[in-house]
Formats: sequence, structure tokens, C-alpha cells
Amino acid sequence: GQNIDQPTEMTATEGAIVQINCTYQTSGFNGLFWYQQHAGEAPTFLSYNVLDGLEEKGRFSSFLSRSKGYSYLLLKELQMKDSASYLCAVRDRSGANNLFFGTGTRLTVIP
Amino acid sequence: DTEVTQTPKHLVMGMTNKKSLKCEQHMGHRAMYWYKQKAKKPPELMFVYSYEKLSINESVPSRFSPECPNSSLLNLHLHALQPEDSALYLCASSQDPFNEQFFGPGTRLTVL
Repeated sequence: GQNIDQPTEMTATEGAIVQINCTYQTSGFNGLFWYQQHAGEAPTFLSYNVLDGLEEKGRFSSFLSRSKGYSYLLLKELQMKDSASYLCAVRDRSGANNLFFGTGTRLTVIP
Repeated sequence: DTEVTQTPKHLVMGMTNKKSLKCEQHMGHRAMYWYKQKAKKPPELMFVYSYEKLSINESVPSRFSPECPNSSLLNLHLHALQPEDSALYLCASSQDPFNEQFFGPGTRLTVL
């Protein structure tokens, strides 16, 4: 099975940096994805890690440590429009390579 | 065309109705997915089509019936649903089962 944990809610200030953590336990880890989902909308793809290390994409970076079963999403220069849910999803080889989503972290950016 | 489209956006149906949800993509993706998402919960996988063949059926009740007429289209046929089936139904596609998935805007379904 899969066990994916994220904090339920976080609040951060406009212009600041926030780190959203995700820990996972899977028997056939084969990649980790981060998605952003605004209320009432579909998830949109942010980043993908399959090897250890940091992937940077503009204001967003994602880090993976496979030995620790740990990832984080780093958001810099926060903007009000970054208020959304952030979903960590793990691809599991033992689960036919399907995506299994964490419960999501609801981020609120305040002025 | 770099998006996944879904129709209708909203659907209200009674428990005896038969309806269908439609999903379309023209990105040449060969894997397509149906997810169900309840409020404040993550998406839950229902079905996976890979190269137009149903490869995964995550123990979904038979009142949900998927269909993949061709590589660009995915339908979800609904019959005799229950009020607890009310949710956002998301379609997604990916180049193949190993790449990132792109989601459509979803169909918000209400079963009365």
C-alpha cells in the first residue's frame, strides 16, 4: 500500500518563502509529483522528481530524498494567487505505476 | 491544443437517470484516467486506459462504466447512482503511463 503525509494547512505572508513537506512510504517508488489545485478547479502539474536532489522551476523548487521517503515543495516570493492546495503524489510501481495522492496542504497567503 | 476538455461542467441527475461524462484531448496522449474527488479530499483513481485498453479498474461499482472510443476520447457512463456519488469527476491524460498527468477542469456531479 501507500502512505503519504502532508500538513493539512499552512499560512504564509506575501513575499515570503514557504516549504511544504511530504513524507511517503511505498513499496515500489517510481517518482513523485507536485500539483497545485485552486478551489473548485483541476490540479495543475508543478514538478516531478525521480532522482535525489533539487529541481528548480522559477519561483517553485522541489526536493527529493528517496532514502528518507521525503520531499518538499519550496515556494519563493509568495503571491496572493499562490493560495491553493498543494498535492504530493507518488507513482508506485507496485500499484501499476499509478499516482497516489496525499491529502493535500491548503496554503493561505496573507498580505 | 494542449488541454484536456470535459463536458458537461455541471450535472444534476436523479438516482434513476442515465447520463454520460465526456473527456477529450488532442495532445496525442496514450493514457487517460478518471478520478473522483470529494470536497477537501485528494483525487481517487477510478479507471485507467492505456493505449485504448482498460488497464486498471480500482474496484469501482458497476454503476460507473468507462468507455474509450478512440485515443482522444474517454467517456464515463453513469446509471442508477447514489447521492454519495456526488463529487467532482476529473479526467486526466498523459503521454504514456509514466509521464506527468494533465487534468481537465472536471465535471461537478450532484445526485439527488
